[in-house]
Amino acid sequence: GAVVSQHPSWVICKSGTSVKIECRSLDFQATTMFWYRQFPKQSLMLMATSNEGSKATYEQGVEKDKFLINHASLTLSTLTVTSAHPEDSSFYICSASARRTGDEKLFFGSGTQLSVL
Amino acid sequence: SQQGEEDPQALSIQEGENATMNCSYKTSINNLQWYRQNSGRGLVHLILIRSNEREKHSGRLRVTLDTSKKSSSLLITASRAADTASYFCATSTNTGNQFYFGTGTSLTVIP
Repeated sequence: GAVVSQHPSWVICKSGTSVKIECRSLDFQATTMFWYRQFPKQSLMLMATSNEGSKATYEQGVEKDKFLINHASLTLSTLTVTSAHPEDSSFYICSASARRTGDEKLFFGSGTQLSVL
Repeated sequence: SQQGEEDPQALSIQEGENATMNCSYKTSINNLQWYRQNSGRGLVHLILIRSNEREKHSGRLRVTLDTSKKSSSLLITASRAADTASYFCATSTNTGNQFYFGTGTSLTVIP
């Protein structure tokens, strides 16, 4: 099956620094990538939908300037948490859609645990 | 919020028993999918059911969809300890460009 690689898997940073998370589709072209945030024992909250070559579509309540998303190619999307604060600590997961005829599965990265001190 | 709801939130059963999880959603959908997540990991796709389908099987999994009630159920038969995980339903909107996840069911299968 399709593989999505997400890095880093764990990052600890000081408050005020920026953190970049990468999401790559390894063996398929992902025209659309999704970024989710998940708190412990809770569901995934969609943050934004990213289409290659265009601006990301953010969900209501998600700050665009705080969570910068870049989808520069069909295989790479990045999420940058700018000026991270402790309340940004969370598990971030990307997923990619390999949109073939009749196939609308999501393929997930393994997630990034962000801890802001 | 677009997020769906699942029940039960947590389910604990003995190995060999069947596990049933339910998902309710709010908007019209293109399809509904079920995913599994082991603790602290990404999600793995289990099964997809389209809005014009009512039931689908895949191995020990059986999924039903009732679009009139905006609900779906996932049945895992003959459960195994390795089935212990969180299970989420996800709905794709008619535009097909957004996926929203339910609140999840934490399943524990006791050996």
